[in-house]
Amino acid sequence: GAGVSQSPSNKVTEKGKDVELRCDPISGHTALYWYRQSLGQGLEFLIYFQGNSAPDKSGLPSDRFSAERTGGSVSTLTIQRTQQEDSAVYLCASSLRPTPPLNTEAFFGQGTRLTVV
Amino acid sequence: KQEVTQIPAALSVPEGENLVLNCSFTDSAIYNLQWFRQDPGKGLTSLLLIQSSQREQTSGRLNASLDKSSGRSTLYIAASQPGDSATYLCAVRLGDYKLSFGAGTTVTVRA
Repeated sequence: GAGVSQSPSNKVTEKGKDVELRCDPISGHTALYWYRQSLGQGLEFLIYFQGNSAPDKSGLPSDRFSAERTGGSVSTLTIQRTQQEDSAVYLCASSLRPTPPLNTEAFFGQGTRLTVV
Repeated sequence: KQEVTQIPAALSVPEGENLVLNCSFTDSAIYNLQWFRQDPGKGLTSLLLIQSSQREQTSGRLNASLDKSSGRSTLYIAASQPGDSATYLCAVRLGDYKLSFGAGTTVTVRA
């Protein structure tokens, strides 16, 4: 596609329910990132995928959060037993190559706004 | 840990005035710095990417400078327009792949 696509754009869920957020990166981009943006806060790194390598999950805030990337393309971020503090905008980004010296831009999707009530 | 600070947090100017947005970072060993624009309820739009070897990058009315040694970058927007109203974020990349973001500067351009 022309850009990074995320779905749904908005999600309201009840506390304790599980949610799945989807990200379609730009075609051909091998690196995929998930970030979280809470109200009035900066972007918080969650997880990173690069090709077939093991993902870097160091930013996931708890074991309720998990993510997978199938076939090196589409990624799904899953939050189990959602809590109110999980309410945020979840942003996905992709880039052509992840590491220097081949510095490349990161392109972001429009985000999924998650509200836990 | 890389700390990225953006000052001011908010800025309001009349149309036509030039904008100056500041970004500072604590670890000067960056590989690149990227400026983004975020409209309310939207994702991030990449504006400019400055490689560590560059001192500035220009695109239309936008110009970004980078001074690695002092840990600073400045985004200049010439002849501001109401359509420039948005939040501007800077992000730095170190030797790994993570981007460290500032909290952003929210700009309002008054018609």
